[in-house]
Amino acid sequence: QSALTQPPSASGSPGQSVTISCTGTSSDVGGYNYVSWYQQRPGKAPKLMIYEVSKRPSGVPDRFSGSKSGNTASLTVSGLQAEDEADFYCSSYAGTNNYVFGNGTKVTVL
Amino acid sequence: EVQLLESGGDLVQPGGSLRLSCAASGFTFRDFAMSWVRQAPGKGLEWVSGITSIATFYADSLKGRFTISRDNSKNTLYLQMNSLKAEDTAVYYCARDTGRRTFDIWGQGTMVTVSS
Repeated sequence: QSALTQPPSASGSPGQSVTISCTGTSSDVGGYNYVSWYQQRPGKAPKLMIYEVSKRPSGVPDRFSGSKSGNTASLTVSGLQAEDEADFYCSSYAGTNNYVFGNGTKVTVL
Repeated sequence: EVQLLESGGDLVQPGGSLRLSCAASGFTFRDFAMSWVRQAPGKGLEWVSGITSIATFYADSLKGRFTISRDNSKNTLYLQMNSLKAEDTAVYYCARDTGRRTFDIWGQGTMVTVSS
């Protein structure tokens, strides 16, 4: 199973929006509405930000939103804040209780 | 408080074995599928293995070397790792599967270093 493809980096000024893409195949992203997004700060465990493509867990600000079209999912962070600076990983269910992650995107707040 | 706490990470020689543990608290452990996810130094996340109440699952690249198990009476998840290779060096996280194909609770991770 190959890793999902994410851009290595993305950036924006405070208050702006940034969108991260996550491209897979019809066997993972395109085949299931089970795309998740995780935020990981340095030295910390990943934190769930989005699940089932566009749902937010309790406590995650509505500045974070997710979508999907075909084999590509996207995470948008609106109204960027300094605290949003982190690595973001997408993940997709890939059938038969298997999962695949993206290679990660470093978000920098300028 | 819902919590996962990994342990067992260590420095091990190539070809060696190691067993990781993940102690769960604050929720009904037996009701949830669980997974192990690893992260090599400076690299991305990689799903390793998962376990439900009745079945186990592995990343294709790891089959035969790693064995996942659980003891619901002890609220503990395990990962037995054999024939370890340098490329297995990573932080190993345990994570709770919500049942909606996503991981909502993660442990703090335990470091496994495979080196001579």
